[in-house]
Amino acid sequence: EIVLTQSPGTLSLSPGERATLSCRASQSISSSYLAWYQQKPGQAPRLLIYGASSRTTGIPDRFSGSGSGTDFTLTISRLEPEDFAVYYCQQYGSSPPYSFGQGTKLEIK
Amino acid sequence: EVQLVESGGGLVQPGRSLRLSCTASGFTFGDYAMSWVRQAPGKGLEWVGFIRSKAYGGTTEYAASVKGRFTISRDDSKSSAYLQMNSLKTEDTAVYYCTRDPRYDYYDSSGDGYYFYYMDVWGKGTTVTVSS
Repeated sequence: EIVLTQSPGTLSLSPGERATLSCRASQSISSSYLAWYQQKPGQAPRLLIYGASSRTTGIPDRFSGSGSGTDFTLTISRLEPEDFAVYYCQQYGSSPPYSFGQGTKLEIK
Repeated sequence: EVQLVESGGGLVQPGRSLRLSCTASGFTFGDYAMSWVRQAPGKGLEWVGFIRSKAYGGTTEYAASVKGRFTISRDDSKSSAYLQMNSLKTEDTAVYYCTRDPRYDYYDSSGDGYYFYYMDVWGKGTTVTVSS
């Protein structure tokens, strides 16, 4: 079973700053298998990035994904007020279970 | 508009059963795998299981925590997926989301074929509370 570990647990930044969120897999996975989701309070999650680096429709280009092997990163180049939320990574291409990371809460400093 | 609507949640006693439904609209339901994901109060996301499209066998996979108790099925004629939950435990208390899961097939430079899924549409969720 592949375990995804996200860091940090909480990230405190100000609007306009750059955010770097990490997702580490317990074993190497294809970068194609890694997706990122954003969840705001009281809302369902929404897909941001799939295949490690492909933005889904409607996601601003300030969001970018990268990485390979066991280390993956979600970068938000310049934080907007609406970006403060919880972010989850997920692997969904190797054998099940298709686990999520435990999440990173991005909060306003 | 592409939409998923979950229903069937509620309060249920431990050991009892509950069936959740996910009704889709705005897309060709049969072309997609569908997943169920849950979120316990104040916790993160937990993948529950998924069902492949009929084109890929319509087979299912489950998380270890629900395997043998939960069953996912689909009725493409009704654009619906279902989560049958038996022998419910208090730790099954959560918001349950259904998702639409496109499959992406690709080939590497050697010509070997691979695929992955991702969850591109989520419903708003339905709440299940297991308590005596």
